[in-house]
Amino acid sequence: DAKTTQPNSMESNEEEPVHLPCNHSTISGTDYIHWYRQLPSQGPEYVIHGLTSNVNNRMASLAIAEDRKSSTLILHRATLRDAAVYYCIAHGGTSYGKLTFGQGTILTVHP
Amino acid sequence: EAGVVQSPRYKIIEKKQPVAFWCNPISGHNTLYWYRQNLGQGPELLIRYENEEAVDDSQLPKDRFSAERLKGVDSTLKIQPAELGDSAVYLCASSLDQGGSSYNSPLHFGNGTRLTVT
Repeated sequence: DAKTTQPNSMESNEEEPVHLPCNHSTISGTDYIHWYRQLPSQGPEYVIHGLTSNVNNRMASLAIAEDRKSSTLILHRATLRDAAVYYCIAHGGTSYGKLTFGQGTILTVHP
Repeated sequence: EAGVVQSPRYKIIEKKQPVAFWCNPISGHNTLYWYRQNLGQGPELLIRYENEEAVDDSQLPKDRFSAERLKGVDSTLKIQPAELGDSAVYLCASSLDQGGSSYNSPLHFGNGTRLTVT
Protein backbone atom coordinates (compact mmCIF):
# COMPACT_ATOMS: atom_id res chain seq x y z
CA ASP A 1 0.00 0.00 0.00
CA ALA A 2 1.15 3.54 -0.66
CA LYS A 3 2.11 5.58 2.40
CA THR A 4 -0.64 7.79 3.78
CA THR A 5 -0.33 10.80 6.08
CA GLN A 6 -3.10 11.91 8.41
CA PRO A 7 -3.25 14.43 11.25
CA ASN A 8 -2.82 12.78 14.63
CA SER A 9 -6.02 14.28 16.00
CA MET A 10 -8.96 16.52 15.15
CA GLU A 11 -11.86 17.96 17.09
CA SER A 12 -15.38 18.78 16.10
CA ASN A 13 -18.65 19.86 17.65
CA GLU A 14 -21.74 17.74 17.52
CA GLU A 15 -23.99 18.29 14.48
CA GLU A 16 -21.26 20.11 12.57
CA PRO A 17 -19.59 18.71 9.44
CA VAL A 18 -16.16 17.13 9.78
CA HIS A 19 -13.53 16.97 7.06
CA LEU A 20 -10.80 14.42 7.71
CA PRO A 21 -7.83 14.84 5.35
CA CYS A 22 -5.45 12.21 4.05
CA ASN A 23 -2.37 12.65 1.87
CA HIS A 24 -1.21 9.79 -0.35
CA SER A 25 1.21 11.44 -2.76
CA THR A 26 2.81 8.15 -3.92
CA ILE A 27 -0.49 6.47 -4.76
CA SER A 28 -0.53 4.48 -7.98
CA GLY A 29 -3.27 4.64 -10.55
CA THR A 30 -4.82 1.35 -9.44
CA ASP A 31 -4.74 1.88 -5.66
CA TYR A 32 -8.13 2.16 -4.01
CA ILE A 33 -8.59 4.62 -1.14
CA HIS A 34 -10.23 2.96 1.83
CA TRP A 35 -11.42 4.52 5.09
CA TYR A 36 -12.05 2.58 8.24
CA ARG A 37 -12.85 3.79 11.74
CA GLN A 38 -12.37 2.17 15.09
CA LEU A 39 -14.54 2.97 18.07
CA PRO A 40 -13.16 2.28 21.56
CA SER A 41 -12.97 -1.44 22.38
CA GLN A 42 -14.25 -2.46 18.95
CA GLY A 43 -12.72 -3.76 15.77
CA PRO A 44 -12.24 -1.46 12.78
CA GLU A 45 -15.40 -0.67 10.85
CA TYR A 46 -15.49 -0.10 7.10
CA VAL A 47 -16.63 3.41 6.22
CA ILE A 48 -16.16 3.99 2.51
CA HIS A 49 -13.79 3.45 -0.40
CA GLY A 50 -13.23 4.76 -3.90
CA LEU A 51 -10.85 4.85 -6.83
CA THR A 52 -11.24 8.09 -8.75
CA SER A 53 -14.70 9.54 -8.40
CA ASN A 54 -16.23 10.99 -5.27
CA VAL A 55 -18.32 8.46 -3.37
CA ASN A 56 -21.28 8.77 -1.04
CA ASN A 57 -22.91 6.28 1.28
CA ARG A 58 -25.11 6.43 4.34
CA MET A 59 -22.15 6.94 6.64
CA ALA A 60 -20.00 9.48 4.86
CA SER A 61 -18.73 11.00 1.65
CA LEU A 62 -15.29 10.55 0.12
CA ALA A 63 -13.85 13.39 -1.91
CA ILE A 64 -10.83 12.40 -4.00
CA ALA A 65 -8.56 15.08 -5.44
CA GLU A 66 -8.28 15.16 -9.20
CA ASP A 67 -4.59 14.14 -9.05
CA ARG A 68 -5.50 11.47 -6.45
CA LYS A 69 -2.68 12.59 -4.17
CA SER A 70 -5.09 13.41 -1.39
CA SER A 71 -8.59 12.65 -0.24
CA THR A 72 -11.04 13.87 2.37
CA LEU A 73 -13.54 11.90 4.39
CA ILE A 74 -16.60 13.99 5.10
CA LEU A 75 -18.98 13.33 7.98
CA HIS A 76 -21.91 15.60 7.23
CA ARG A 77 -23.24 15.96 10.79
CA ALA A 78 -20.97 14.65 13.50
CA THR A 79 -22.53 12.82 16.42
CA LEU A 80 -20.94 11.67 19.65
CA ARG A 81 -20.94 8.15 18.17
CA ASP A 82 -18.55 9.32 15.47
CA ALA A 83 -15.75 9.78 18.00
CA ALA A 84 -13.20 7.20 16.86
CA VAL A 85 -9.84 6.64 15.22
CA TYR A 86 -10.14 7.08 11.46
CA TYR A 87 -7.75 5.22 9.18
CA CYS A 88 -7.04 6.14 5.58
CA ILE A 89 -5.50 3.36 3.49
CA ALA A 90 -4.30 3.41 -0.12
CA HIS A 91 -4.74 -0.23 -1.07
CA GLY A 92 -3.28 -1.88 -4.12
CA GLY A 93 -0.22 -3.17 -5.89
CA THR A 94 1.92 -5.77 -4.21
CA SER A 95 -0.06 -5.53 -0.98
CA TYR A 96 -2.89 -7.57 -2.45
CA GLY A 97 -5.17 -8.75 0.34
CA LYS A 98 -3.28 -6.85 3.02
CA LEU A 99 -4.59 -3.56 4.35
CA THR A 100 -1.80 -1.52 5.93
CA PHE A 101 -3.16 0.55 8.79
CA GLY A 102 -1.21 3.59 9.93
CA GLN A 103 -1.72 5.56 13.14
CA GLY A 104 -4.94 7.16 11.97
CA THR A 105 -6.65 10.36 13.15
CA ILE A 106 -8.27 10.47 16.57
CA LEU A 107 -11.54 12.37 16.17
CA THR A 108 -13.01 13.96 19.28
CA VAL A 109 -16.62 15.18 19.08
CA HIS A 110 -17.76 17.73 21.64
CA PRO A 111 -21.42 17.94 22.71
CA GLU B 1 -26.44 -10.07 8.46
CA ALA B 2 -24.63 -11.41 11.50
CA GLY B 3 -21.16 -9.96 11.91
CA VAL B 4 -17.81 -11.62 12.51
CA VAL B 5 -17.89 -13.40 15.84
CA GLN B 6 -14.78 -13.90 17.93
CA SER B 7 -14.24 -15.62 21.25
CA PRO B 8 -13.16 -15.27 23.91
CA ARG B 9 -13.47 -11.52 24.33
CA TYR B 10 -10.71 -11.40 26.92
CA LYS B 11 -7.98 -13.83 27.93
CA ILE B 12 -5.36 -13.59 30.65
CA ILE B 13 -2.64 -16.21 30.77
CA GLU B 14 0.80 -16.66 32.23
CA LYS B 15 3.79 -16.66 29.94
CA LYS B 16 4.74 -20.01 28.42
CA GLN B 17 1.10 -21.13 28.48
CA PRO B 18 -0.79 -21.93 25.28
CA VAL B 19 -3.80 -19.92 24.10
CA ALA B 20 -6.28 -20.20 21.26
CA PHE B 21 -8.65 -17.73 19.62
CA TRP B 22 -11.69 -18.64 17.56
CA CYS B 23 -13.34 -16.79 14.71
CA ASN B 24 -16.60 -17.32 12.84
CA PRO B 25 -16.67 -15.12 9.72
CA ILE B 26 -19.70 -13.70 7.95
CA SER B 27 -21.55 -16.45 6.13
CA GLY B 28 -20.39 -16.81 2.54
CA HIS B 29 -17.22 -14.75 2.94
CA ASN B 30 -14.40 -16.60 1.24
CA THR B 31 -11.47 -14.61 2.64
CA LEU B 32 -10.51 -14.56 6.30
CA TYR B 33 -7.82 -12.50 8.01
CA TRP B 34 -6.14 -12.47 11.39
CA TYR B 35 -4.71 -9.14 12.49
CA ARG B 36 -2.87 -8.16 15.66
CA GLN B 37 -3.22 -4.72 17.18
CA ASN B 38 -0.77 -3.45 19.77
CA LEU B 39 -1.81 -0.65 22.09
CA GLY B 40 -1.94 2.69 20.31
CA GLN B 41 -1.11 1.19 16.92
CA GLY B 42 -3.09 0.22 13.86
CA PRO B 43 -3.81 -3.47 13.17
CA GLU B 44 -1.14 -5.55 11.41
CA LEU B 45 -1.90 -8.59 9.25
CA LEU B 46 -0.76 -11.97 10.57
CA ILE B 47 -2.32 -14.34 8.06
CA ARG B 48 -4.86 -14.35 5.23
CA TYR B 49 -6.92 -17.29 4.02
CA GLU B 50 -8.70 -17.70 0.74
CA ASN B 51 -11.22 -20.43 1.50
CA GLU B 52 -9.16 -23.01 3.41
CA GLU B 53 -5.78 -22.05 1.93
CA ALA B 54 -3.37 -19.76 3.77
CA VAL B 55 -2.24 -17.49 0.93
CA ASP B 56 -0.24 -14.97 2.96
CA ASP B 57 1.36 -15.96 6.26
CA SER B 58 4.56 -13.98 5.83
CA GLN B 59 3.89 -11.95 8.99
CA LEU B 60 3.01 -14.92 11.20
CA PRO B 61 5.74 -15.85 13.73
CA LYS B 62 5.74 -19.50 12.82
CA ASP B 63 7.86 -20.68 15.70
CA ARG B 64 5.01 -20.11 18.15
CA PHE B 65 1.94 -19.13 16.16
CA SER B 66 -0.27 -21.44 14.12
CA ALA B 67 -3.62 -21.05 12.44
CA GLU B 68 -6.12 -23.19 10.66
CA ARG B 69 -9.34 -22.69 8.77
CA LEU B 70 -11.19 -25.94 8.55
CA LYS B 71 -13.67 -26.40 5.69
CA GLY B 72 -13.07 -22.80 4.69
CA VAL B 73 -15.35 -21.39 7.38
CA ASP B 74 -14.31 -21.00 11.04
CA SER B 75 -10.73 -20.34 11.98
CA THR B 76 -8.53 -20.80 15.03
CA LEU B 77 -5.34 -18.92 15.87
CA LYS B 78 -3.04 -20.50 18.43
CA ILE B 79 0.01 -19.31 20.33
CA GLN B 80 2.25 -21.83 22.06
CA PRO B 81 4.06 -20.85 24.20
CA ALA B 82 2.89 -17.29 24.81
CA GLU B 83 5.40 -14.54 25.58
CA LEU B 84 4.92 -11.22 27.34
CA GLY B 85 5.23 -9.41 24.01
CA ASP B 86 2.22 -11.25 22.64
CA SER B 87 -0.12 -9.11 24.75
CA ALA B 88 -2.34 -7.40 22.18
CA VAL B 89 -5.79 -7.46 20.62
CA TYR B 90 -6.21 -10.22 18.04
CA LEU B 91 -8.72 -9.30 15.36
CA CYS B 92 -10.40 -11.52 12.84
CA ALA B 93 -11.90 -10.12 9.65
CA SER B 94 -13.62 -11.53 6.60
CA SER B 95 -14.46 -10.32 3.12
CA LEU B 96 -16.18 -11.50 -0.02
CA ASP B 97 -13.63 -11.19 -2.79
CA GLN B 98 -15.47 -11.33 -6.06
CA GLY B 99 -13.58 -11.78 -9.26
CA GLY B 100 -10.36 -12.38 -7.34
CA SER B 101 -9.91 -8.73 -6.42
CA SER B 102 -9.38 -7.78 -2.80
CA TYR B 103 -8.71 -4.11 -3.54
CA ASN B 104 -12.40 -3.40 -3.93
CA SER B 105 -13.68 -5.61 -1.11
CA PRO B 106 -14.39 -4.10 2.31
CA LEU B 107 -13.19 -6.02 5.34
CA HIS B 108 -15.59 -6.79 8.16
CA PHE B 109 -13.91 -7.05 11.54
CA GLY B 110 -14.93 -8.74 14.75
CA ASN B 111 -14.44 -7.02 18.08
CA GLY B 112 -11.29 -8.97 18.81
CA THR B 113 -9.80 -10.93 21.68
CA ARG B 114 -7.75 -8.92 24.14
CA LEU B 115 -4.85 -11.10 25.29
CA THR B 116 -2.86 -10.27 28.39
CA VAL B 117 0.23 -12.34 29.11
CA THR B 118 1.59 -12.01 32.65
